[in-house]
Parts: sequence; structure tokens; C-alpha cells
Amino acid sequence: EVQLVESGGDLVQPGGSLRLSCAASGFFFNTYWMSWVRQIPGKGLEWVASINEDGNQKYYVDSVKGRFTISRDNAKNSLYLQVDSLRAEDTAIYYCARWFSHDTGYGDYWGQGTLVTVSS
Amino acid sequence: DVVMTQSPLSLPVTLRQPASISCRSSQSLVFSDGNTYLNWFQQRPGQSPRRLIYKVYKRDSGVPDRFSGSGSGTEFTLKISRVEAEDVGVYYCMQGTHWPPYTFGQGTKLEI
Repeated sequence: EVQLVESGGDLVQPGGSLRLSCAASGFFFNTYWMSWVRQIPGKGLEWVASINEDGNQKYYVDSVKGRFTISRDNAKNSLYLQVDSLRAEDTAIYYCARWFSHDTGYGDYWGQGTLVTVSS
Repeated sequence: DVVMTQSPLSLPVTLRQPASISCRSSQSLVFSDGNTYLNWFQQRPGQSPRRLIYKVYKRDSGVPDRFSGSGSGTEFTLKISRVEAEDVGVYYCMQGTHWPPYTFGQGTKLEI
């Protein structure tokens, strides 16, 4: 059974930092692109960042470029999102998603999410 | 960026009646490999998104066959043949053809 379990969300002051983690199990982690998608509570979905199978390709939405860093550790079956210089508008639930393979397409499994709240 | 526009944004339905959600993209979603990367997700209240449909019409494992996807180019539709109580939630389309960024529709809230 595919499982994605996020952690690391917290209440943080503007300008602060967090490291979000996603523990993956039940599939060959190193054969999938992975992504982070966020959702302001009560609002829609916004793609944040993606990383390829071996971690040498990374893509970000413009609003987080230079502030967020996606990474992965295939030996630990884990995905990470380092979030720096946080702003109030980064307040959201952050979901980890198994993102892409040629067979399964995009976004077939999602975690339960971790809440990041940016407030003074 | 590709803009995904859903309609309606709110969809009141009657149990066991059909329902339909439209999604329009600002550019054709046909990729160079011949695939059209258009997904539909369901988000029930208090839950994470769940993928229902990928590549326009392919239904995910465990998704009831009352859900179907269709369309091509820039116009896509999610249909529910007979709405059940468990179908209440918000439905999103998403394109994976022109990226980055991957983009979602605004969401359609289905309520009974």
C-alpha cells in the first residue's frame, strides 16, 4: 500500500524557516517524480515544487523561487521541502504527492498534509 | 502559464441524478508524446485530494464507474452518472502538459 506521511508543519513568524518532510512507503520511491502542493484552508490547490527521480531536476512556482528548496533522499525514501523567508501568504496545508511516471501519470497518491502557519 | 477554468463553481445536485463539470484550458493540452495530461481530483470535506481520472478518461483503481472523463484539446468534462452522498466535495481539474507550473482549476463544489 502506497503511503505518504508529511511532518514538520508548525506556527512560525514571518521571515522564519521550516523543513517539511514526507516519508514514503509501499512503492519504489526512486522511480517517481515527487511534488509538493499547497492549499490555503478553504481555498484551491497550488503546485509548489517538483523533483525528478534522482534529484537533479527541480522546478518551482515563481512565488517561492529563491525561498523554498525541494530535495529527496532515496536511501531514506523521503522527500523534503526547506521553506525559508516565510510570508503570511505561505500559510497553507502542504501536501506531498507521488507526482509522475509514464504509466501512472500525474498525482496519483497524496499524503494527509502538514499545516504551516506564518503569523506573528 | 496555462489557465484552467472550471464551471460551474457550485453544483447543487439531487441524489441519484447525473452531474457534469466542465474544465477549459487556455492552450491545447496535447503533449508532444501524443498524450493529453488532464486529471480530475476529488477532495471530500476534511480529506486530502484523491485522483479520479488521468489522461482525460482513464479511471483510477477503486473509482466507481459512475465517474467518467471526456474531452480533447482545450475542453474537458467530468461526469457523474448518478450522484451518491459520498460524492459531496470539491472537484479540481489539473493540467500536466505545459509545465512548470502545473496548474489547477478553481474547484467545483458539489453539494446535495
